[in-house]
This record gives sequence, structure tokens and C-alpha cells, in this order.
Amino acid sequence: EVQLVESGGGLVQPGGSLRLSCAASGFTFTTDWMHWVRQAPGKGLVWVSRIKSDASGTSYADSVKGRFTISRDNAKKTLYLQMNSLRAEDTAVYYCARDLYYSIGNWGQGTLVTVSS
Amino acid sequence: DVVMTQSPLSLPVTLGQPASISCRSSQSLVHSDGNTYLNWFHQRPGQSPRRLIYKVSNRDSGVPDRFSGSGSGTDFALKISRVEAEDVGIYHCMQGTHWPYTFGQGTKLEIK
Repeated sequence: EVQLVESGGGLVQPGGSLRLSCAASGFTFTTDWMHWVRQAPGKGLVWVSRIKSDASGTSYADSVKGRFTISRDNAKKTLYLQMNSLRAEDTAVYYCARDLYYSIGNWGQGTLVTVSS
Repeated sequence: DVVMTQSPLSLPVTLGQPASISCRSSQSLVHSDGNTYLNWFHQRPGQSPRRLIYKVSNRDSGVPDRFSGSGSGTDFALKISRVEAEDVGIYHCMQGTHWPYTFGQGTKLEIK
């Protein structure tokens, strides 16, 4: 069974930093692209970032470019999202997601990030 | 980026009745490989999304056959033949043809 378990969310002040982690199991992590997708309270889903299976390439939404960094440790089967210079508008549930051939095949349970003073 | 527009945004339905959600894209979702990468997800209250449909009309494993997807080009639809109580929640369409992936605003289905 595919499992994606996020951690690292919490309350942070504007301008602060957080690092999210996503532990993967139940599939061949080393061959799959991975994403972070977020959902602000009461809003829709928004793609945030993507990383190729061997970490050779990354992409970011314009709203987070230069502030967020996606990475992965294939030996540990773990995906990361380093979030710096956080803003109130970054408040959301952040989902770790597994790419499945031009789609998202699996989602984690999400971790809530709240940016507030 | 490709804009995905869903309608309606709110869908009250009587149990046992059909329901339909529309999803339109700002450009064709036909990929250069000939496939159309339009997906549908269901998100129950307090839960993460779960994929129902991929490539317009292919149901994922375990998805009841009362769910069906259709469409082509820029116009797509998700239909539920007979709504059950477990179908409440938000339905999201997502395109995977053009980078970056983009989602519709979501349609909230509730029982009347």
C-alpha cells in the first residue's frame, strides 16, 4: 500500500522558516517524480513544486520561487520542502503527492502551515 | 498557465439522483502523444484528495461505476449516475497535459 506521511507543519511568524518532510513507502520512490501541492483554508488545490526522480530537475510556482526549495533523499525515501521568508498567504495544508504519468496518483494526509504573528 | 474552470461551484443533490460537474480548460488538453490528461479527484471533508478518473474517462481501481468521465479538447464532465451519501465533498479537475499542472476551483457536492 502506498503511504505518504508529511510532518513539520506548525505555526510560524511572518518571515520565518519551516521544513516539511514526507516519508514514502509502498512504491519505488527512486523512480517517481514527486510534488508539493497546497490548499489554503476553504480554497482549491494549488501546485507548489515538483522534483524529478533523481533530483536532477526542480520546478516552482511563481508565488514561491526564490523562497521555497524542494529536495529529496532517495536513500531515506523522503521528500522535503524548505520554506523561507514565509508570508500570511502561505498559510495552507501542504500535501506531498506522487506523480503518476501526467497525473497525481497518491496524496499524503497533509500538514498544516500557519503563518501568523 | 492553463486555466481550469469548473461549474457549478456548489451542487446540492438529492440522494439517488444524478449529478454532473463541468470542467473547461483555457486551451486544448490534447498532448503531443495523442492522449488527453484530464483527471478528477474527490476530497471528502477533512481528508486528502483521492483520484477517481484519469485520462478523461478511466476509473481508478475501487471507484464505483456510478462515476464516469467524458469530454474532449477543452470541455469535460464528471457524472454520478445516482448520488450516495458517501459522495459528499469537493470534486476537483486537474490537467496534466501542460506544465505546470493546474486545478479547477473545486465543486462542493452536498445532499439536499
